[in-house]
Amino acid sequence: AQSVTQPDIHITVSEGASLELRCNYSYGATPYLFWYVQSPGQGLQLLLKYFSGDTLVQGIKGFEAEFKRSQSSFNLRKPSVHWSDAAEYFCAVLHTGNQFYFGTGTSLTVIP
Amino acid sequence: DVKVTQSSRYLVKRTGEKVFLECVQDMDHENMFWYRQDPGLGLRLIYFSYDVKMKEKGDIPEGYSVSREKKERFSLILESASTNQTSMYLCASSLKIQPQHFGDGTRLSIL
Repeated sequence: AQSVTQPDIHITVSEGASLELRCNYSYGATPYLFWYVQSPGQGLQLLLKYFSGDTLVQGIKGFEAEFKRSQSSFNLRKPSVHWSDAAEYFCAVLHTGNQFYFGTGTSLTVIP
Repeated sequence: DVKVTQSSRYLVKRTGEKVFLECVQDMDHENMFWYRQDPGLGLRLIYFSYDVKMKEKGDIPEGYSVSREKKERFSLILESASTNQTSMYLCASSLKIQPQHFGDGTRLSIL
């Protein structure tokens, strides 16, 4: 069965520090992978996606993610976090049947 | 830019009421989805639809139904609202094998 695991429920980082949010997936075929961000009281906004090709993908707001097949991981990174990055982050995998599977999310707090 | 519009941001209803949540998308997407979001549980799929007048059950369809009479509109129906259906409800749409686009959500309280 397909699943997505985000092992960190909550992360706190200082403004200007680097960030890495972890995501592991369980899926038999080549996955389509996504990261979304959700600001308080809002819907989810797509940060980036991986379908194939270069395993390092660039997204909006300065985020990037690296697909590592050997580790079944798709971790999200940002070199320098801004206070406005405080939000909930969701990793997702797309099943070939058009059904998405989401992780339970990682809540990011940014301290000055 | 894709626009997914949910009819209400906040809604308060009473137990036993029939509740309608409406979702409209403006990009001719085939696929539409309804999720509920609860703290610590992430997004759970209630129902989805690949085409007009078709629907598929997701992971937690009990107590819900849906309607898709037009391609752009996907309605979620709580047949007889209960307090355990208090939640944030998110609608999304997508093309086939493409990212989902989300509405801003409806925070529903059942009293």
